[in-house]
Amino acid sequence: DIQMTQSPSPLSASVGDRVTITCRASQDISDNLAWYQQKPGKAPKLLIYTASTLQSGVPSRFSGSGSGTDFTLTISSLQPEDVATFYCQNYYSAPYTFGQGTKLEIK
Amino acid sequence: QITLKESGPTLVKPTQTLTLTCTFSGFSLSANGVGVGWIRQPPGKALEWLALIFWDDNKRYSPSLKSRLTIAKDTSKNQVVLTMTNMDPVDTATYYCIHRPQSGSYFDYWGQGILIAVSS
Repeated sequence: DIQMTQSPSPLSASVGDRVTITCRASQDISDNLAWYQQKPGKAPKLLIYTASTLQSGVPSRFSGSGSGTDFTLTISSLQPEDVATFYCQNYYSAPYTFGQGTKLEIK
Repeated sequence: QITLKESGPTLVKPTQTLTLTCTFSGFSLSANGVGVGWIRQPPGKALEWLALIFWDDNKRYSPSLKSRLTIAKDTSKNQVVLTMTNMDPVDTATYYCIHRPQSGSYFDYWGQGILIAVSS
């Protein structure tokens, strides 16, 4: 199985800050990586796929980059409504593994 | 628009078999490349992918749970059913039904989830 490791967790930042979350795959997954946002008590929501493609309707302050084994999710200017847990997901091959999650809090 | 909804018992006893149904609308599971699957999340823990069934009836399972899982589709009813045998309290989790688009095995639509408790 491909292991996905996220850092940091948890993460605390101020409104307006630039925030970066990192995800590392245990082997090369090319750009077969997705990012999800999960707010408390809700189902996860797809933010980004193919490592850098923004899902329709997702604010442009979210962006993704990377390829191979190292990936990042960036929020350019943190907003209060961004408080959530973020997950990366490998879809290069089954099993489609998730990272352990990064809980983002506002300072 | 695409919607998915999970249904099933909210409480099962240890050793029993869990049967969950995902009823969906807004797409066809006969369309090339499309899939429907299941992901679970124990309280306070991370997401765990369980199973996926494709438009052509190909199936993929989590290796760690493969012996306990069966996924099947009824295209005429727009439903996908997941069965999990020999339930244990560690299987207590919210179970989500998900949609796989044609372009890859990421999940662009999710059901609201159903919390399944395993307890005697």
